[in-house]
Amino acid sequence: GNSVTQMEGPVTLSEEAFLTINCTYTATGYPSLFWYVQYPGEGLQLLLKATKADDKGSNKGFEATYRKETTSFHLEKGSVQVSDSAVYFCALRSLGDYKLSFGAGTTVTVRA
Amino acid sequence: NAGVMQNPRHLVRRRGQEARLRCSPMKGHSHVYWYRQLPEEGLKFMVYLQKENIIDESGMPKERFSAEFPKEGPSILRIQQVVRGDSAAYFCASSPGGTWAYNEQFFGPGTRLTVL
Repeated sequence: GNSVTQMEGPVTLSEEAFLTINCTYTATGYPSLFWYVQYPGEGLQLLLKATKADDKGSNKGFEATYRKETTSFHLEKGSVQVSDSAVYFCALRSLGDYKLSFGAGTTVTVRA
Repeated sequence: NAGVMQNPRHLVRRRGQEARLRCSPMKGHSHVYWYRQLPEEGLKFMVYLQKENIIDESGMPKERFSAEFPKEGPSILRIQQVVRGDSAAYFCASSPGGTWAYNEQFFGPGTRLTVL
């Protein structure tokens, strides 16, 4: 079955630091890959996605590249802000399916 | 446009009681999904419903758990005779109709259930 493994947290950074959250997956075929973000008190929001190998998803300064050879979809941001403090979830969905499979989430705290 | 609403946000029950979790999808959405997040784990799919129909309940425990999405009103996830292992965060998501496999799911803030 499908599974997602992401870097354990919590992660604490200073403002303007570089952020990387590792995500690797196991799936049959060619899944779509997603990063969701959950800000305090809110629901999960789709941050970015990629649907095929070598695609790069990007949004709000965050990027992730679909690497089929390493089955990875690492999230990066070059300069974080306090407002980026949240829980980040890596997820996948198999082609033609509706079920999302999630990693355990990584809590990121950015200090001013 | 209000997002997906879930209530209550926090629910405390004693072992053996019933828990009812409610989810109101986004306006215009007719598909609802429930996910559960156990401590230290990722969200796991439980059930997928459309209005008045359960489409896929393959992720639901066979006993004590049930879900519905009536023609009018919110979707309800019901847990009977709760046990400590039911303590988790329960997330609801909704999507519009159509080609469901490609529609983005919009998530609610979750209900945190604690069983004493």
